[in-house]
Amino acid sequence: DAKTTQPPSMDCAEGRAANLPCNHSTISGNEYVYWYRQIHSQGPQYIIHGLKNNETNEMASLIITEDRKSSTLILPHATLRDTAVYYCIDTANSGGSNYKLTFGKGTLLTVNP
Amino acid sequence: DTGVSQDPRHKITKRGQNVTFRCDPISEHNRLYWYRQTLGQGPEFLTYFQNEAQLEKSRLLSDRFSAERPKGSFSTLEIQRTEQGDSAMYLCASSRTTGTGNTIYFGEGSWLTVV
Repeated sequence: DAKTTQPPSMDCAEGRAANLPCNHSTISGNEYVYWYRQIHSQGPQYIIHGLKNNETNEMASLIITEDRKSSTLILPHATLRDTAVYYCIDTANSGGSNYKLTFGKGTLLTVNP
Repeated sequence: DTGVSQDPRHKITKRGQNVTFRCDPISEHNRLYWYRQTLGQGPEFLTYFQNEAQLEKSRLLSDRFSAERPKGSFSTLEIQRTEQGDSAMYLCASSRTTGTGNTIYFGEGSWLTVV
């Protein structure tokens, strides 16, 4: 099965940038990369998505490599409230569907004081 | 609050009983989704509506599950003859089709415990 690959866990110091990597080697030209996060017992929260260009919003920045096979989510100044499971999703996992998001196990980011 | 709203947030039921969850999507979102999440796993797609039409159902959605979106606004997910394996968080989500991807917004989920 086509899957994104993320490290199972990462640590980050409060106030520092958190850089979360993701490999999506099977992505093709018109398929987006989405990032969500899930804080314990809550619904997933949309963070950002991108196609080819780097993207930035009030929550994070998304850096996509030129070949689009990998991306990095950057939280510029991590806070304790950013501790969560972060999911990288590409629609290649859903046969190109942009509505059937296929979640993996994600990366548990722990922000330490 | 203009997010996706789900009710009830928590439900404990006895095995064999029927339960129904309601979802109110974000206003003007034409797409509505149901996902299920069990402990330690990511959410799994169950079904999808565009307006009132149910366009896809996962094989995870057994015959005991039925979802409706009668007027293209709110949706209900009913589970008949609940089993312990149905214990999970049921997530509703919605989106509006645009030309720049399909951003899906999730609700806070409805936790089901079958005892």
